Amino acid sequence: DQQVKQNSPSLSVQEGRISILNCDYTNSMFDYFLWYKKYPAEGPTFLISISSIKDKNEDGRFTVFLNKSAKHLSLHIVPSQPGDSAVYFCAAKGGFQKLVFGTGTRLLVSP
Amino acid sequence: EPEVTQTPSHQVTQMGQEVILRCVPISNHLYFYWYRQILGQKVEFLVSFYNNEISEKSEIFDDQFSVERPDGSNFTLKIRSTKLEDSAMYFCASSGWRVQALGDQYFGPGTRLLVL
Repeated sequence: DQQVKQNSPSLSVQEGRISILNCDYTNSMFDYFLWYKKYPAEGPTFLISISSIKDKNEDGRFTVFLNKSAKHLSLHIVPSQPGDSAVYFCAAKGGFQKLVFGTGTRLLVSP
Repeated sequence: EPEVTQTPSHQVTQMGQEVILRCVPISNHLYFYWYRQILGQKVEFLVSFYNNEISEKSEIFDDQFSVERPDGSNFTLKIRSTKLEDSAMYFCASSGWRVQALGDQYFGPGTRLLVL
């Protein structure tokens, strides 16, 4: 099941710079997208979401962009902080409530 | 800030035994879910529950699994006869106390299940 893909397994960024995490999806029925942050041995922490009727949603340092024609979404974190180092998952929802997760991107923010 | 809680944090069981994983969703949430993550794999959906019944389930959620909301606060996942391949991290989630947030699912810390 490759409906949601995160092609970059890891990303390294310096503190203060922008982190851009990418996600692609194949199912055009998806109508709601979410980003989660996860530390080892913990549950996913909800960060930000976007409905398919929008192309951008912003919350503090986090902005999610949605390009429906390209079936692509991205999460921008600016400025990046060392505490942002974690695994980031995108997830998509279509129809009912089931979330389909990507494989995750490990972000490392160095001081 | 309200959060989803899960017990136990770790569970070790013998193959064939029954386990019950417990969750307390966020108060006033209407939808409840179970997901699991096998080591090194994606987080995958098991089941969603609304208005005291299953609203959606995956192929993984076979007859060995059941869910229940025995009272106003707890939400449980029962595995009747555990198999080795049931070893995973099990996450409970809840959502939907307001229409705009129906899609925002909040996850608990997980229960690590090890079947020997």
